[in-house]
Amino acid sequence: AQSVTQLDSQVPVFEEAPVELRCNYSSSVSVYLFWYVQYPNQGLQLLLKYLSGSTLVKGINGFEAEFNKSQTSFHLRKPSVHISDTAEYFCAVRGGGSNYKLTFGKGTLLTVNP
Amino acid sequence: KAGVTQTPRYLIKTRGQQVTLSCSPISGHRSVSWYQQTPGQGLQFLFEYFSETQRNKGNFPGRFSGRQFSNSRSEMNVSTLELGDSALYLCASSLFAGGNTGELFFGEGSRLTVL
Repeated sequence: AQSVTQLDSQVPVFEEAPVELRCNYSSSVSVYLFWYVQYPNQGLQLLLKYLSGSTLVKGINGFEAEFNKSQTSFHLRKPSVHISDTAEYFCAVRGGGSNYKLTFGKGTLLTVNP
Repeated sequence: KAGVTQTPRYLIKTRGQQVTLSCSPISGHRSVSWYQQTPGQGLQFLFEYFSETQRNKGNFPGRFSGRQFSNSRSEMNVSTLELGDSALYLCASSLFAGGNTGELFFGEGSRLTVL
């Protein structure tokens, strides 16, 4: 079974500041990892994913994440945030094999202030 | 290419009633998953359908059921509604093929309020 822990429920930052949203996972098998973003009154949109290969993954809107197997982490980063990045961010894990269920973290609300 | 379409977007029901929510996946996608999103519990997996067969099921009571049609459209039904069923219900579709990476494409959700 997999689980995901997002260590911060809320992260307030100022515009143009860097941000890191933290995610730790647990799984007994190799995993696929995802970050999704949800804007108010909308569904979830995929930001980026780690399947295999390079541990540094680049996504849309200038976001990137680094897979760290030894620390079982998949933290999301952006060097300079904009007001429009204000949203809720979800980390998710999927185990290998034929189980396509995604297990999500509780989410981190990123608020970018002017 | 049209995205995942969910209907209705908003609905209000009273306790004891039942509700049916509909989801049309992206054209060509054969897998449909349903999630319940609440402020307290976050995103919780309900079930997943592929080719009209339920492949995975989450830990929800039998009041929650679903089905998938031959055109991949899916419906979920909640019977005997309780106040705690108030939530945003999200549908997601994915393209199944060997080596599916599990990327899900979400609809905007159906927001259910139970009074």
